[in-house]
Amino acid sequence: EPEVTQTPSHQVTQMGQEVILRCVPISNHLYFYWYRQILGQKVEFLVSFYNNEISEKSEIFDDQFSVERPDGSNFTLKIRSTKLEDSAMYFCASNSYYEQYFGPGTRLTVT
Amino acid sequence: AQSVTQPDIHITVSEGASLELRCNYSYGATPYLFWYVQSPGQGLQLLLKYFSGDTLVQGIKGFEAEFKRSQSSFNLRKPSVHWSDAAEYFCAVGAGGTSYGKLTFGQGTILTVHP
Repeated sequence: EPEVTQTPSHQVTQMGQEVILRCVPISNHLYFYWYRQILGQKVEFLVSFYNNEISEKSEIFDDQFSVERPDGSNFTLKIRSTKLEDSAMYFCASNSYYEQYFGPGTRLTVT
Repeated sequence: AQSVTQPDIHITVSEGASLELRCNYSYGATPYLFWYVQSPGQGLQLLLKYFSGDTLVQGIKGFEAEFKRSQSSFNLRKPSVHWSDAAEYFCAVGAGGTSYGKLTFGQGTILTVHP
């Protein structure tokens, strides 16, 4: 069964460093998303992406964040200068007819 | 703006007992509703979804949910819980139109199953 994959599973970085989280969505899906879950809190929408552009972003998704689909398979989330409060689990998802499939997540720890 | 409330943060049931997890939503149009399950350290697995039609929907692992428009609810049920059902359960409402696919999640309900 096709699935969304994410790498790495765990990333540790120092405050102020740039990180890139990678995702491979399901191959025939056209809509892609990033969500985050701070420990103990609810899953929050960050951004949606369609036709090579952002279709919607939340207030969390400020200028420090960017997304890209550099080729036909990968979908990346970049955080330019990480802060302590960026520590969270980041989930990638892709969508087919309103069914959203999530990857296993990348746990980002900012020290 | 859409929102989801899961009133129960933590529920404990005995194995073999029935289960109902509550979910209330707020959304201006016909909602797209989902239940996801998350085991510790794992991603989110789709249990079931409601788009339209029959208000009682069946999902995987023996779960079902009933959409009640008059109560703005989408409660998840299982007639007999197994120890492997212990996990965190999230209700979510999905948007259409220009916000296609954007999910708003509830706070989650942690399910503990006693032997």
